Amino acid sequence: ELKVEQNPLFLSMQEGKNYTIYCNYSTTSDRLYWYRQDPGKSLESLFVLLSNGAVKQEGRLMASLDTKARLSTLHITAAVHDLSATYFCAVTTQGGSEKLVFGKGTKLTVNP
Amino acid sequence: NAGVTQTPKFRVLKTGQSMTLLCAQDMNHEYMYWYRQDPGMGLRLIHYSVGEGTTAKGEVPDGYNVSRLKKQNFLLGLESAAPSQTSVYFCASSYAGYRNQPQHFGDGTRLSIL
Repeated sequence: ELKVEQNPLFLSMQEGKNYTIYCNYSTTSDRLYWYRQDPGKSLESLFVLLSNGAVKQEGRLMASLDTKARLSTLHITAAVHDLSATYFCAVTTQGGSEKLVFGKGTKLTVNP
Repeated sequence: NAGVTQTPKFRVLKTGQSMTLLCAQDMNHEYMYWYRQDPGMGLRLIHYSVGEGTTAKGEVPDGYNVSRLKKQNFLLGLESAAPSQTSVYFCASSYAGYRNQPQHFGDGTRLSIL
């Protein structure tokens, strides 16, 4: 059974600082997604990571994937208040139905 | 382009009542999904469909039924609502076979069972 663990679950940081969110998963998968959710809102896709060593960047966020270690990271550079949200990683199960297993999410608060 | 539309957005039910949540997508996606989101639990898959006329169970299917009579619609039913089904329900859809495409989510339905 595929399990996805994120840490930390809560992260409070100051503007301008750097930090990393970790996503570990328990069995082989060929795809990993990062989503953002603002309070009371839907999920917004940030990154799709398809292969070992994949790295994607958008603004102050950079995501990477190590399939051998079953680990993805979401790195935040010089955080700003607008990045405050909950971030989820999700991993596809095998079998072709594109089912996702989500981590519990990391609630990020960026303080001025 | 509306994307994924969920109806209703909010609902309060009494224990034992029934209701149907509607999900409609206009992106011609083959796959559709229903999730529930509870505090501290992330999203958990209830049921999913890989095409018109097909449905399958996800991680937490008990107490729910689904139907996909048309490709663009995916219905989630609660036959006899229970307080444990109080949650935020999200519908999502995606293409089949496009590995670089994410699932697209609706805005959610906030359901309270009293």
